[in-house]
Amino acid sequence: ETGVTQSPTHLIKTRGQQVTLRCSSQSGHNTVSWYQQALGQGPQFIFQYYREEENGRGNFPPRFSGLQFPNYSSELNVNALELDDSALYLCASSLEGLAGGETQYFGPGTRLLVL
Amino acid sequence: GQQVMQIPQYQHVQEGEDFTTYCNSSTTLSNIQWYKQRPGGHPVFLIQLVKSGEVKKQKRLTFQFGEAKKNSSLHITATQTTDVGTYFCAGSPNDYKLSFGAGTTVTVRA
Repeated sequence: ETGVTQSPTHLIKTRGQQVTLRCSSQSGHNTVSWYQQALGQGPQFIFQYYREEENGRGNFPPRFSGLQFPNYSSELNVNALELDDSALYLCASSLEGLAGGETQYFGPGTRLLVL
Repeated sequence: GQQVMQIPQYQHVQEGEDFTTYCNSSTTLSNIQWYKQRPGGHPVFLIQLVKSGEVKKQKRLTFQFGEAKKNSSLHITATQTTDVGTYFCAGSPNDYKLSFGAGTTVTVRA
């Protein structure tokens, strides 16, 4: 158990809809990273939040957005869902994210299916 | 951009045998991490290597970071059925994100 929780565990949406995924980081961790893991692939970095600010972003379009709250929990929002957005969405918390190299603790993920 | 590649993609191993999976980066890494993901699960951190040429062991698992800090390997001895899963390496080139390889999926024949 990493202490990182995500909700919901599973979600089914239709194309064009919007979705919000939630993540509670491990106690004491101020950094949350979000990843998309398509079936049979490794996790792909979406973005990272450090102390409520976006700290970096991967190659994902602007319809992927996020927030981090004062308690360091985080949300991932995806607008205008596409079929290819179907994936496992993982969040990972770490103690400090700026320098890199920090151990990340993954949550169980949210499985999103877009029909 | 940085790319992390892993080989082989699949590893079918007879129980009791040894195997090695390899990870290569297109750029020099500040550190490399290894994760294991069981079927239907999420990645679980195994280890982090930071120093050039570093070798770390966890029971039957041996992790190595290359001298040039661009490659790494994971060697498992006396494979057991509990070793089933996908092993990912993930590298960080001195910034905020980890770039994951596509993973090596291990199956074990009893």
